[in-house]
Amino acid sequence: AQRVTQPEKLLSVFKGAPVELKCNYSYSGSPELFWYVQYSRQRLQLLLRHISRESIKGFTADLNKGETSFHLKKPFAQEEDSAMYYCALSGLDKIIFGKGTRLHILP
Amino acid sequence: NAGVTQTPKFQVLKTGQSMTLQCAQDMNHEYMSWYRQDPGMGLRLIHYSVGAGITDQGEVPNGYNVSRSTTEDFPLRLLSAAPSQTSVYFCASRRRDSGYTFGSGTRLTVV
Repeated sequence: AQRVTQPEKLLSVFKGAPVELKCNYSYSGSPELFWYVQYSRQRLQLLLRHISRESIKGFTADLNKGETSFHLKKPFAQEEDSAMYYCALSGLDKIIFGKGTRLHILP
Repeated sequence: NAGVTQTPKFQVLKTGQSMTLQCAQDMNHEYMSWYRQDPGMGLRLIHYSVGAGITDQGEVPNGYNVSRSTTEDFPLRLLSAAPSQTSVYFCASRRRDSGYTFGSGTRLTVV
């Protein structure tokens, strides 16, 4: 079965501290993983794709097939990082999303 | 280049009414999907399409119909609105080898 788990509903981090948003997945084939970000009342925006191995806005994510994880990391949190973050998994024809983690950056 | 356009942005329906949420994309994307976003539930897939004339059900298809007569358009029909369908609806499109581009959403309230 295709499943994405984001164990934290809310993550509060002080400005300047490191951030790690957890994502675990279940998929029998070779998955394609994404991270999306949604700022308040706006549309979802693609943040990262695992195959591109880019760093966007200081965020990185590495696919760990052994642990079936795709955690999102940033070394130093900024106030503008406060948003809802969704991990997503692409299977054959569809993309499914986790329930999301709200990241709250404390001043 | 408009991307993914959803209309209307807001809608209030009475229980039992029907309506169609419109979604259009101008990027010649093959894949299109409809999601609903509810607090604590994330985004749940309603229906999706891998090309014109082809649609399939997602996780929560009951009460919704779709059709894909053209590559550009993927309307979502609510047949008989229920309060449980109060939600924010997002349409998205992509090429086979890319991530999704999302529309700005439709906020629907059923009273």
